[in-house]
Amino acid sequence: IVMTQSPATLSVSPGERATLSCRASQSVSSNLAWYQQKPGQAPRLLIYGASTRATGVPARFSGSGSGTEFTLTISSLQSEDFAVYYCQQYNNWPPWTFGQGTKVEVK
Amino acid sequence: EVQLVESGGGLVQPGGSLRLSCAASGFTFSSYEMNWVRQAPGKGLEWVSYITSSGSTIYYADSVKGRFTISRDNAKNSLYLQMNSLRAEDTAVYYCARGRNYWGQGTLVTVSS
Repeated sequence: IVMTQSPATLSVSPGERATLSCRASQSVSSNLAWYQQKPGQAPRLLIYGASTRATGVPARFSGSGSGTEFTLTISSLQSEDFAVYYCQQYNNWPPWTFGQGTKVEVK
Repeated sequence: EVQLVESGGGLVQPGGSLRLSCAASGFTFSSYEMNWVRQAPGKGLEWVSYITSSGSTIYYADSVKGRFTISRDNAKNSLYLQMNSLRAEDTAVYYCARGRNYWGQGTLVTVSS
């Protein structure tokens, strides 16, 4: 299964809303996770089951979608949210497959 | 607190071998399946290998099948990745991960002459 994220780079001002997209080449049901990765750090799980926030993840992060189309929304960007975000399907595995990432940068 | 600490990375020549280790603590290691995931410099994430809690079931990415071997020692709370016939394209940070939620800090493997 190929995971395609868009856009590759998203320029957003602090306090604004960010919407990231992830498309699967075939249905992955709701078996979709989102990760945040900052430079020099390991990925951090944000969302699993397409819409369930992981422990400790702020409510400004929300996930939606099922099947082949998914969205990660950050309602009001904070300075610590500027990072690279990856989607990952775990419906048909092995292998786990990841999208190529969306970089959220300061506008 | 769950902790995963990778070690064993370094510089190796093409065709060489390296063994990565992942030391686990803060949970009952023998109860959990584990994965290796890698990330080439400036690139995205690539799943490498999976092993069940008992070691009875193992999967590999096509890109490493036949060259890499995953294993674990539940008595030592440790996960391993034996990497043989290394190629330049294997250069990456290698992470061990428990499920999707817990990741180590990674260890860098550089394959270069």
